[in-house]
Amino acid sequence: EAQVTQNPRYLITVTGKKLTVTCSQNMNHEYMSWYRQDPGLGLRQIYYSMNVEVTDKGDVPEGYKVSRKEKRNFPLILESPSPNQTSLYFCASTLSWGGKNIQYFGAGTRLSVL
Amino acid sequence: KNQVEQSPQSLIILEGKNCTLQCNYTVSPFSNLRWYKQDTGRGPVSLTIMTFSENTKSNGRYTATLDADTKQSSLHITASQLSDSASYICVVADNYGQNFVFGPGTRLSVLP
Repeated sequence: EAQVTQNPRYLITVTGKKLTVTCSQNMNHEYMSWYRQDPGLGLRQIYYSMNVEVTDKGDVPEGYKVSRKEKRNFPLILESPSPNQTSLYFCASTLSWGGKNIQYFGAGTRLSVL
Repeated sequence: KNQVEQSPQSLIILEGKNCTLQCNYTVSPFSNLRWYKQDTGRGPVSLTIMTFSENTKSNGRYTATLDADTKQSSLHITASQLSDSASYICVVADNYGQNFVFGPGTRLSVLP
């Protein structure tokens, strides 16, 4: 079964305490991305990766880091979380098919930074 | 600036009724437009994807239309069910379909 798995699903942390949200896909997709979703704003792209060791900034990259050491994993790293990073985060993996690039989303990680 | 707007922001209908959600976009160059359904606490799931040359696309009780000239799309839901209660997100892909611009979504509630 095609899956994008995020962990943890829920996380409460304090300002400045480094955290990592993991994302794994089992579909051998090359393109993966991270989004945050805030009320009234829709999903905004944080970072994306075209392939292993190839990452680039999305629309709202400040305060985040990513890595892509292997194709299946794309972790999101918050070195020093701040309260404005409280949000719902989604990892997505993209299948290129007939030019339509179908996105598969993980179940989401709800992060609260106190 | 590339933008996607959706209306209404929220909608309440009775089970069995039809409804139509609207999407306007200013994304250029246009590659394709997709509608996602997002259940509470879950990730978005694709309903339909339409390229420039496709005017309509159906997926069961969901029918999406696209007018690339006016840059408008609609999602029509027929004979709504309680399980249709969700947020519906319009997404437009630009360039080669790798950059996605998300609308804010329409929150649909279907009541018995």
